[in-house]
Amino acid sequence: QVQLQESGPGLVKPSQTLSLTCTVSGGSISSGGYYWSWIRQHPGKGLEWIGYIYYSGSTYYNPSLKSRVTISVDTSKNQFSLKLSSVTAADTAVYYCARDTMVRGVDWGQGTLVTVSS
Amino acid sequence: DIQMTQSPSSLSASVGDRVTITCRASQSISSYLNWYQQKPGKAPKLLIYAASSLQSGVPSRFSGSGSGTDFTLTISSLQPEDFATYYCQQSYSTPRAFGQGTKLEIK
Repeated sequence: QVQLQESGPGLVKPSQTLSLTCTVSGGSISSGGYYWSWIRQHPGKGLEWIGYIYYSGSTYYNPSLKSRVTISVDTSKNQFSLKLSSVTAADTAVYYCARDTMVRGVDWGQGTLVTVSS
Repeated sequence: DIQMTQSPSSLSASVGDRVTITCRASQSISSYLNWYQQKPGKAPKLLIYAASSLQSGVPSRFSGSGSGTDFTLTISSLQPEDFATYYCQQSYSTPRAFGQGTKLEIK
């Protein structure tokens, strides 16, 4: 059973870069067939897909965030990471890391709240 | 990009009721449709994948159907623990997209 755990600062200042890491246990991030993803949820709102990375390093980002998002992978640590630049209060949300498959849905981390405030 | 539309956005029902939530895709997604349940303060939980396959450990009162553009999630007999928000999600293409959610409340 794969487990995913987000880590990173819970408070980020406006205009700075939000950085989160997801540690994967119970499975190898180098396994094919999985898309290592980030998804966020604004307070009281629905789910917004941010993007994913394949173990090979291929990435795909939500066009609405593409100019500010970078997702990377560190296979030696079995981790993948999210960077979101130039944040504003509108980026305040719970951020989830997830393992996405085309045919078997998404396995989720527990989520971490990131607040953008000075 | 594929858009996902759920209905209704909210629903009041009683324990024991049969409930159906619908999800429509803006173009065909074959059977690449998943359903999640989310309770307050928790991560979403996968209920149904590939439109109709029940995730391991999920009670059999949950079922999914549909293909192409129209899908349904049915709860055959509501239990107290089923009151939550439900989301559909397409995994046919990128960007992935979720429905806006259906909040199921106690009548």
